[in-house]
Amino acid sequence: NAGVTQTPKFRVLKTGQSMTLLCAQDMNHEYMYWYRQDPGMGLRLIHYSVGEGTTAKGEVPDGYNVSRLKKQNFLLGLESAAPSQTSVYFCASTRTAYSNQPQHFGDGTRLSIL
Amino acid sequence: QQPVQSPQAVILREGEDAVINCSSSKALYSVHWYRQKHGEAPVFLMILLKGGEQKGHEKISASFNEKKQQSSLYLTASQLSYSGTYFCGTLSSGSARQLTFGSGTQLTVLP
Repeated sequence: NAGVTQTPKFRVLKTGQSMTLLCAQDMNHEYMYWYRQDPGMGLRLIHYSVGEGTTAKGEVPDGYNVSRLKKQNFLLGLESAAPSQTSVYFCASTRTAYSNQPQHFGDGTRLSIL
Repeated sequence: QQPVQSPQAVILREGEDAVINCSSSKALYSVHWYRQKHGEAPVFLMILLKGGEQKGHEKISASFNEKKQQSSLYLTASQLSYSGTYFCGTLSSGSARQLTFGSGTQLTVLP
């Protein structure tokens, strides 16, 4: 009963390096989301996907790219990491976008950019 | 536009009650409530739907005032385990596929 799994859990990068965060869900959910959480800011949506092969921008998409090649996986990429991208990243999924569907969150990835 | 939560923080003694409010300037389809403990993922509590009834979850309940576009979360006879940050997330026209979260209310329950 894994739910939503994020890899890695922690990572330290140097400015300018690139990396990919992986989110995997085993609930056959259509919708997947990437959020970042900064102190006092709540959860802000970076990108989301409404199904395999689709992606869309959220509130704070700049500096990030995403891909959803398989329904169960949603990847978040940082092409050239900047200190402003130091944050905790959460992935979430939901069965559909109807109002009565809760989002299920992964445990988060703590990313530090030096 | 982000919903506004109030208060930003509250400290209670075990057994006391608390109310957390969430207000939006947009017409809402639904309001979601989540609780997050330090260093952990947000956990779903309940959803309030437009035209729906007040929801309950153990000693935690919530209401949705459609005229005011406001939801309130009620914590009754709080327990130590209720400590954490509470977030509301709103679904509204124009952003019906994505939740917009408030900045959170930090609740601390003391023995």
